[in-house]
Amino acid sequence: SQQGEEDPQALSIQEGENATMNCSYKTSINNLQWYRQNSGRGLVHLILIRSNEREKHSGRLRVTLDTSKKSSSLLITASRAADTASYFCATDAFGQFYFGTGTSLTVIP
Amino acid sequence: ETGVTQTPRHLVMGMTNKKSLKCEQHLGHNAMYWYKQSAKKPLELMFVYSLEERVENNSVPSRFSPECPNSSHLFLHLHTLQPEDSALYLCASSQGRGPRLNTIYFGEGSWLTVV
Repeated sequence: SQQGEEDPQALSIQEGENATMNCSYKTSINNLQWYRQNSGRGLVHLILIRSNEREKHSGRLRVTLDTSKKSSSLLITASRAADTASYFCATDAFGQFYFGTGTSLTVIP
Repeated sequence: ETGVTQTPRHLVMGMTNKKSLKCEQHLGHNAMYWYKQSAKKPLELMFVYSLEERVENNSVPSRFSPECPNSSHLFLHLHTLQPEDSALYLCASSQGRGPRLNTIYFGEGSWLTVV
């Protein structure tokens, strides 16, 4: 299976702290993407990192990719209460998108 | 607003009913997807359509029947469902498939409850 596995399953932090969540996957990928899902809503694309990239930034988001370990991490800096959501990694293996179970992030005001 | 619209947002149906979920994308994409999201489980890819042709069917029970009349519309026809089919059904679209940098755009989902 290409599924990504996010870790931890749940994370609770204080507003202003950084949040780090990890994703591991099983086989070679074309790229890896992170998505966010607010409760009961659809998923929203956050950031894409190509298989030949090691790090990428977008605003308060920093994503790393280690293809030798088949893992990725998402760092959200200076978290806000509005960042409370579930975060999913998705592996793209030539057009097949596979998602994990997600990390549920709660940011306490 | 992601450009992918799903209706209805909520659906309650009996096990003997026939209903349909509808998805429409306004992004000019060529590929459309149905995913099932159940509690504590990964998103399950159900069906993929590329240029209106079904290219993926991940062992989904026949009580789920997809239909893609054109590249902008996707339906999921539901018939004699089971209570365990209750879930959030997400439609998505992307520019294409294959070795390219595709981003997948999701609708808001249809909450299905089978009673």
